[in-house]
Amino acid sequence: QVQLQESGPGLVKPSQTLSLTCNVSGGSINSGGYYWNWIRQHPGKGLEWIGHIYSSGSTSYNPSLQSRIVMTVDTSKNQFSLNLTSVTAADTAVYYCARGRRFTYGSSAFDNWGQGTLVTVSP
Amino acid sequence: EIVLTQSPGTLSLSPGERANLSCRASQSVSSIYLAWYQQKFGQAPRLLIYGASRRATGVPDRFTGSGSGTDFTLTISRLEPEDFAVYYCQQYGPSPPLFTFGPGTKVDIK
Repeated sequence: QVQLQESGPGLVKPSQTLSLTCNVSGGSINSGGYYWNWIRQHPGKGLEWIGHIYSSGSTSYNPSLQSRIVMTVDTSKNQFSLNLTSVTAADTAVYYCARGRRFTYGSSAFDNWGQGTLVTVSP
Repeated sequence: EIVLTQSPGTLSLSPGERANLSCRASQSVSSIYLAWYQQKFGQAPRLLIYGASRRATGVPDRFTGSGSGTDFTLTISRLEPEDFAVYYCQQYGPSPPLFTFGPGTKVDIK
């Protein structure tokens, strides 16, 4: 059973860069048919897709955040990462990593999630 | 960008009752790209339904997804105590790739 685990600082200062890593265990990040996502949830609010990366390094980002995001993948360590630059208090949220899966019928959804990590942006 | 609206915002029901949760899209969504998730307090979301009507692995058959075009429904046939949670619909637009979620429906105990 694949498991995902986020790690990174819980507190980031305004204007700095938020950096998180998602470690994938129980399966290879190179497995076909999957893509690797970051999703966030502001306190008490709904879910916002940040972007995804394939094991090849190909990325897609949410246009609303695109100018501040860089995602990378390290297949040798079976992990992928998120850098979000120039953070403000509005970036305070629980950040989830999640596996995206392309199902047989062409469907696509997030079928496996990390437990989430709260990142607070504060001086 | 497709906007998803969910109704009602909160649904107060008793165990054993039937729950009907609505997800409406601002423009037509391909059914294969519509999913539903369950989120319990303090936990990550869990995939319930993908492709509008296909249950994810391990999801009980009391959960049923249906709909097409702009109107989709998640039905819980008989609420169990563990079903009281927030439910989100989500759609995927492939070009450019963009995933969006609805605001959620909270199902709480009456």
